[in-house]
Amino acid sequence: DAKTTQPTSMDCAEGRAANLPCNHSTISGNEYVYWYRQIHSQGPQYIIHGLKNNETNEMASLIITEDRKSSTLILPHATLRDTAVYYCIVRGYNFNKFYFGSGTKLNVKP
Amino acid sequence: DAGVIQSPRHEVTEMGQEVTLRCKPISGHNSLFWYRQTMMRGLELLIYFNNNVPIDDSGMPEDRFSAKMPNASFSTLKIQPSEPRDSAVYFCASSLVGTGGGYGYTFGSGTRLTVV
Repeated sequence: DAKTTQPTSMDCAEGRAANLPCNHSTISGNEYVYWYRQIHSQGPQYIIHGLKNNETNEMASLIITEDRKSSTLILPHATLRDTAVYYCIVRGYNFNKFYFGSGTKLNVKP
Repeated sequence: DAGVIQSPRHEVTEMGQEVTLRCKPISGHNSLFWYRQTMMRGLELLIYFNNNVPIDDSGMPEDRFSAKMPNASFSTLKIQPSEPRDSAVYFCASSLVGTGGGYGYTFGSGTRLTVV
């Protein structure tokens, strides 16, 4: 699986958009980009995934660059409850295993 | 749907004792995963099953750890004998995996294990 690089931590003001970047420069053509988050002491929670098109769901939007070497998770209106560690993971098409890196600690401040 | 159910939520045991962690995956899911999380090492994949068969146990730290999945609705992770360095949060996750890609995991709430 391709490796990912994320900033260690980020701050965001409550009500503003949180933009979390992820680099995956060695991604191959059939690998998906997944985002999970882990709120303190809870199990990781699925947020969104995509292959090459931008995706949006009720939680977030995922923007993948045209060359697919990086992506951005967007939380449009961050709340205090969005404070968590966010993991960007690249996984193969039929490959089962997820490997979690260090993630980005997002601190949403009032 | 009750989600992935893990028991117990907390376990405190003495070094040398046997510990058994339990997991009930989401009905209909065909893959089950055991992870361990510590501050030092983050989330580590220990083992995963597909259709109740262990597929990859390369993450299991040593012979003291064993995992079974006797049927589609139950799995156990056993540590015997336990050691203080096994103290961690253990997560179970399940997924429906097949052709077409794009399947995510659903995680349980975890079991916090403390070995004293």
